[in-house]
Amino acid sequence: LAKTTQPISMDSYEGQEVNITCSHNNIATNDYITWYQQFPSQGPRFIIQGYKTKVTNEVASLFIPADRKSSTLSLPRVSLSDTAVYYCLVGDMNNFNKFYFGSGTKLNVKP
Amino acid sequence: IAGITQAPTSQILAAGRRMTLRCTQDMRHNAMYWYRQDLGLGLRLIHYSNTAGTTGKGEVPDGYSVSRANTDDFPLTLASAVPSQTSVYFCASSEAEHNEQFFGPGTRLTVL
Repeated sequence: LAKTTQPISMDSYEGQEVNITCSHNNIATNDYITWYQQFPSQGPRFIIQGYKTKVTNEVASLFIPADRKSSTLSLPRVSLSDTAVYYCLVGDMNNFNKFYFGSGTKLNVKP
Repeated sequence: IAGITQAPTSQILAAGRRMTLRCTQDMRHNAMYWYRQDLGLGLRLIHYSNTAGTTGKGEVPDGYSVSRANTDDFPLTLASAVPSQTSVYFCASSEAEHNEQFFGPGTRLTVL
């Protein structure tokens, strides 16, 4: 089962680029890697998803090395509103019930 | 456009009581999910449904049941609540299993 390991917390300052790495050593061939953001008292919100190499959207980039045993979420020029918990999720397309959110990384953006 | 709605917002329940948490989506998504989130922890999948009429067990299904009579509704039932089921419950939906999941606002349940 492809469970994930992330740092418990990270600090950053406004305007900096933040990189959060997730380890998933047991990732399977059919697994996608997905990142979610969660603010207090809210449900998680999708950020980005990828299978390999690099994916970029309007809010973030996702870097996945060739062996896919880790992935890095990159947030460019963070602001105070990016303070949240970020979850790395590895999902098996063929085994629907094998989605693991893990404990997440608490990102604290300071002014 | 409501997305996903959950009811109630919060509930205090005596142990041993039966409780149904409601979840409705208006996006015509095929897949729906129930998660629980305990204080300071990540989300754990309780049950899922990949299409109307079918359901499956997630990581922590014991003590919970679900039904999926139609596309829009996915209620979660606690037949006999216990204090360890005190948690925040999130319902989510997605077009397909590995696609982006859209989450509801959550139900905060306290079992005494």
